[in-house]
Amino acid sequence: DAGVTQSPTHLIKTRGQQVTLRCSPKSGHDTVSWYQQALGQGPQFIFQYYEEEERQRGNFPDRFSGHQFPNYSSELNVNALLLGDSALYLCASSSLSYEQYFGPGTRLTVT
Amino acid sequence: EDQVTQSPEALRLQEGESSSLNCSYTVSGLRGLFWYRQDPGKGPEFLFTLYSAGEEKEKERLKATLTKKESFLHITAPKPEDSATYLCAVSNFGNEKLTFGTGTRLTIIP
Repeated sequence: DAGVTQSPTHLIKTRGQQVTLRCSPKSGHDTVSWYQQALGQGPQFIFQYYEEEERQRGNFPDRFSGHQFPNYSSELNVNALLLGDSALYLCASSSLSYEQYFGPGTRLTVT
Repeated sequence: EDQVTQSPEALRLQEGESSSLNCSYTVSGLRGLFWYRQDPGKGPEFLFTLYSAGEEKEKERLKATLTKKESFLHITAPKPEDSATYLCAVSNFGNEKLTFGTGTRLTIIP
């Protein structure tokens, strides 16, 4: 049973560029949440997708947007990258149990 | 606004030396309290969910307990492979997100 997968593993971008991160949920899960984790901090909630709609959003600017596809996979897009966007981006999937299972993350470095 | 505070920030133990990690929380209607283990550069690994005060769960050398204000993660006779950051998170009814603490970095010395 495959767990949550994310791609790419690492990414280096320049300020002002745009980036797209991808996530495939655990088998049987229909809900995907995205988190940002800065070094030494706990993950911070960005948004959650269910039935291809954004169900809830955290305190992140509109530069952060997402999408969920009919197969439940999801993308996180970040526009106009800032140095402060450098972080580990985590995808978590869940279903009715509310327990969220995390992927390995994508390390984004903005230079 | 939900809040989670974990203590201590870091803990160094000798192999076999038992101890406890603390997670204090403030939440409007607890739906669940979650413990995760995170290795450096990796995603958090799910350990336990606790739903109500008095509940306890165990997995190998770990035991999680819950009261109305805090949760403890007890580690018994730890081994070096238990070294990791342990994260606590809460969710409340009507809110889909997890609110995390900053974690406790646990180091077990052989």
